[in-house]
Amino acid sequence: AQSVTQPDIHITVSEGASLELRCNYSYGATPYLFWYVQSPGQGLQLLLKYFSGDTLVQGIKGFEAEFKRSQSSFNLRKPSVHWSDAAEYFCAVVGGKLIFGQGTELSVKP
Amino acid sequence: EAGVAQSPRYKIIEKRQSVAFWCNPISGHATLYWYQQILGQGPKLLIQFQNNGVVDDSQLPKDRFSAERLKGVDSTLKIQPAKLEDSAVYLCASSFRLLSTGELFFGEGSRLTVL
Repeated sequence: AQSVTQPDIHITVSEGASLELRCNYSYGATPYLFWYVQSPGQGLQLLLKYFSGDTLVQGIKGFEAEFKRSQSSFNLRKPSVHWSDAAEYFCAVVGGKLIFGQGTELSVKP
Repeated sequence: EAGVAQSPRYKIIEKRQSVAFWCNPISGHATLYWYQQILGQGPKLLIQFQNNGVVDDSQLPKDRFSAERLKGVDSTLKIQPAKLEDSAVYLCASSFRLLSTGELFFGEGSRLTVL
């Protein structure tokens, strides 16, 4: 069965520091992968998606993610975090339906 | 472009009472989804509509949950009777076409507290 694992429940980084959020998936074929962000009291917003082709995908708000088939990973990165990036981040895979990981909460220290 | 509209934003009820949530998707979006998001967890799909037909309701607790999408536009999700474990945020989302290649657009959610 398809599944998504986000190993880190909560991460704190300093403003201006780099960020990497981990995501591992389980899927038999080539996956469609997504990262969504959820700010407090808001719905989810798509950051970026991977369907095929270039394994490094660029998204909104300066985020990027790299698909690594050998590691079954789709980690999200940002070179310099801003205070406004504090939110919950969800990795998701399409396996007949969109299946979400449990999320990683990001806190940003001034 | 107007986003996905949901109401009410917040609802508090006693267990065994009933509640209904409403969703109006983005105009022209054929596919509508209801997700349940329990605190500390990722969203879980409850039901997916394509126009006014059900595509997937395999995780909908049908003994107490029901949903409809009359006329293929807005949708209502009902819980009757509610249990304590139904406390969650209910997210509605829509997409232009079926999920496999499409992006989902989410509403702000309806937060349910069952006492």
